[in-house]
Amino acid sequence: AQTVTQSQPEMSVQEAETVTLSCTYDTSESDYYLFWYKQPPSRQMILVIRQEAYKQQNATENRFSVNFQKAAKSFSLKISDSQLGDAAMYFCASTPREYQLIWGAGTKLIIKP
Amino acid sequence: ETGVTQSPTHLIKTRGQQVTLRCSSQSGHNTVSWYQQALGQGPQFIFQYYREEENGRGNFPPRFSGLQFPNYSSELNVNALELDDSALYLCASSPNNYGYTFGSGTRLTVV
Repeated sequence: AQTVTQSQPEMSVQEAETVTLSCTYDTSESDYYLFWYKQPPSRQMILVIRQEAYKQQNATENRFSVNFQKAAKSFSLKISDSQLGDAAMYFCASTPREYQLIWGAGTKLIIKP
Repeated sequence: ETGVTQSPTHLIKTRGQQVTLRCSSQSGHNTVSWYQQALGQGPQFIFQYYREEENGRGNFPPRFSGLQFPNYSSELNVNALELDDSALYLCASSPNNYGYTFGSGTRLTVV
């Protein structure tokens, strides 16, 4: 069974600084997908970044980038130039079949002005 | 493009009752998934429908059932509600089995 672990229940960062959220996963699948989602108080899950495991290159989306270490089964999210609007719960998720996302417990990100 | 709309936003039911939650997806989104998110936890996959047929199910009992309609709307039905069913229920849809768009969820409270 696939599992996703987020070991940081809460992280805080000063506005404009950089923060890294950790995620590890366990899977026996050879091909799978990894995601970071953001859930603000509005409750809607918003896709931040997506990584296909067969791709060596780390995915980036503007200020958001990942450090994907396939052998270590690690998938961390780096947020550069943190903004107040980045404050939210961040969830790491994985799926071997492009559906049935397996989710971590989430990390609450606090941005200090 | 209208996104994914879930109704109602909040709901309170009594233990033992039945509930129907609704989700309206974007046109062309043939795939819809439902998730249960307990307070302070990550979501748990309930099931997925593709073109009106269930094609994947998580570790949820049969009292959790669903329907998907040709107009891209779907329902989650839960019978014999239990206190532990209290959670946020999320609907997510996709035109191509990835790149899901999520709704804002229905907060169900069972008392």
